[in-house]
Amino acid sequence: NAGVMQNPRHLVRRRGQEARLRCSPMKGHSHVYWYRQLPEEGLKFMVYLQKENIIDESGMPKERFSAEFPKEGPSILRIQQVVRGDSAAYFCASSIGSAGGLTDTQYFGPGTRLTVL
Amino acid sequence: DAKTTQPPSMDCAEGRAANLPCNHSTISGNEYVYWYRQIHSQGPQYIIHGLKNNETNEMASLIITEDRKSSTLILPHATLRDTAVYYCIATGNQFYFGTGTSLTVIP
Repeated sequence: NAGVMQNPRHLVRRRGQEARLRCSPMKGHSHVYWYRQLPEEGLKFMVYLQKENIIDESGMPKERFSAEFPKEGPSILRIQQVVRGDSAAYFCASSIGSAGGLTDTQYFGPGTRLTVL
Repeated sequence: DAKTTQPPSMDCAEGRAANLPCNHSTISGNEYVYWYRQIHSQGPQYIIHGLKNNETNEMASLIITEDRKSSTLILPHATLRDTAVYYCIATGNQFYFGTGTSLTVIP
């Protein structure tokens, strides 16, 4: 059973470009979470999604960031007009959803390292 | 959501038990205690979780005090591969990762 998949593993963008990060949850999981980790810091929650619904986006910056989890296909974290401060590791996690919400056990992917030049 | 307090770093001799403490004095009755670890800059790895009772699995044991205000993660026989940052999370509405405890297992 494959774990949480994220791609690309490394992404380099120039300031002003768009970054798209993909996350495929574990088989049977319908909940996806995105986190950001700056160097030397802990993970910061960004957004929690179920299929076709955003449940909690309280950790998402108000501008330039968006997330989706369509009925078919992976979850996408999109960052428009990237700036150097967006350079970080972005981790996706998934859960089965049986316990309901953010108290489910979350299983993490390997992350995408975004570098903005 | 309850926040947690952990020592920033700890050392443990290889083969000995590693006991990692966590304080979560503001935890509410329906919040679980979760432990994850992050090796280098890999994705966090789930270790164990519990609500009230002590828990044990193939990786570790979790001891939760009766008042639930603190807990201890026990790695019974630490190996060099257990060197990592360990995060204690008291989860309600969100998984809040603090700065964790950096555990170094010494040969």
